[in-house]
Amino acid sequence: DAMVIQNPRYQVTQFGKPVTLSCSQTLNHNVMYWYQQKSSQAPKLLFHYYDKDFNNEADTPDNFQSRRPNTSFCFLDIRSPGLGDAAMYLCATSRSRPTGSYEQYFGPGTRLTVT
Amino acid sequence: AQTVTQSQPEMSVQEAETVTLSCTYDTSENNYYLFWYKQPPSRQMILVIRQEAYKQQNATENRFSVNFQKAAKSFSLKISDSQLGDTAMYFCALSNYQLIWGAGTKLIIKP
Repeated sequence: DAMVIQNPRYQVTQFGKPVTLSCSQTLNHNVMYWYQQKSSQAPKLLFHYYDKDFNNEADTPDNFQSRRPNTSFCFLDIRSPGLGDAAMYLCATSRSRPTGSYEQYFGPGTRLTVT
Repeated sequence: AQTVTQSQPEMSVQEAETVTLSCTYDTSENNYYLFWYKQPPSRQMILVIRQEAYKQQNATENRFSVNFQKAAKSFSLKISDSQLGDTAMYFCALSNYQLIWGAGTKLIIKP
């Protein structure tokens, strides 16, 4: 089945120690998103890629970076995690069309704990 | 600015009952899409139902249906014959490029 895969599902890192979360998709969608979701809140968009074009949200901290080496893979790098970065990180994809719905398909998420 | 409002932070109903979750939104766009997403305790976000704004007919997916009132900018979700597996956070979202999310409604189905 076509899907969005996130690894690892659980990640524990130390305060200030860089961490990388990965996302892969078999849907062949050209748009990939990274969201941060804290408990019982709506997902907060960090950034997205439209093909290779990177689009950063204005309020995304510089501490968060992303890479998309090819259509299938996208990475979220947190350069110096703080306690406030502990959250669920969701990857999503969509197929962008001129009159498209931009319906997004989500991975299972990576729960990040910062100690 | 586009906004989505879900006024019910939490709801609970008995199994087999019908429940309606409310959502209102604001946009100046004429063409847009509306979605209901479900996020069970396992946290996988799943699309429940979608509605194209240019379609007057309300979308239906099995036990899930919407009441779309474009003039009133209202988009409620009705779940018929509720099941224990419907227990989840439900998010209403508006899209014409990116998703604008509501705050979510926690729905608990009691046995």
